[in-house]
Amino acid sequence: GAGVSQTPSNKVTEKGKYVELRCDPISGHTALYWYRQSLGQGPEFLIYFQGTGAADDSGLPNDRFFAVRPEGSVSTLKIQRTERGDSAVYLCASSSGLHNSPLHFGNGTRLTVT
Amino acid sequence: AQSVTQLDSQVPVFEEAPVELRCNYSSSVSVYLFWYVQYPNQGLQLLLKYLSGSTLVKGINGFEAEFNKSQTSFHLRKPSVHISDTAEYFCAVSRQGAQKLVFGQGTRLTINP
Repeated sequence: GAGVSQTPSNKVTEKGKYVELRCDPISGHTALYWYRQSLGQGPEFLIYFQGTGAADDSGLPNDRFFAVRPEGSVSTLKIQRTERGDSAVYLCASSSGLHNSPLHFGNGTRLTVT
Repeated sequence: AQSVTQLDSQVPVFEEAPVELRCNYSSSVSVYLFWYVQYPNQGLQLLLKYLSGSTLVKGINGFEAEFNKSQTSFHLRKPSVHISDTAEYFCAVSRQGAQKLVFGQGTRLTINP
């Protein structure tokens, strides 16, 4: 079946602009995660959804970052007033939500803020 | 809080040679441990995981890892590597019962013919 799909694969935006990154999880997966991977670093946790609600948003760096999952499937990560330091690969993952179920990652969206 | 240190940022080896990628973690509570692999232009894939039980864990593609609680390590090994193993490898930890993974910085494995 289809894996986790992230769009766009690449996004270039100017400093100060607003961007939205989309994640389509594997069908039926109730848990959804956003991570950020900067160059030369491992993925860094941002936020975790169980169903429609954010169960843990402790990794969001500041109030410019926000994520939603209104129907418990597709999720959108929103970044306001982008800064050059926001440039990174944004990864989405989903899982069945069952205890110890593995995470399935998408290929990521590479965001470049100029 | 948990943290992970991958001691080598790059590991070059010759084809058919053995390899060990090192991972150490820090945590004040019991943890689960994982290794993920990222092939060029692909998403992260789970290689293997340790949840409980036998400390030697076997994963896909001939990889295995050993959990050593006293040394807080979870090193990844393969007895004979192939060109196709060229990838970035990430060690990760989560608190038992938690969903959030904390990743190491990654180790780039390069296989030379």
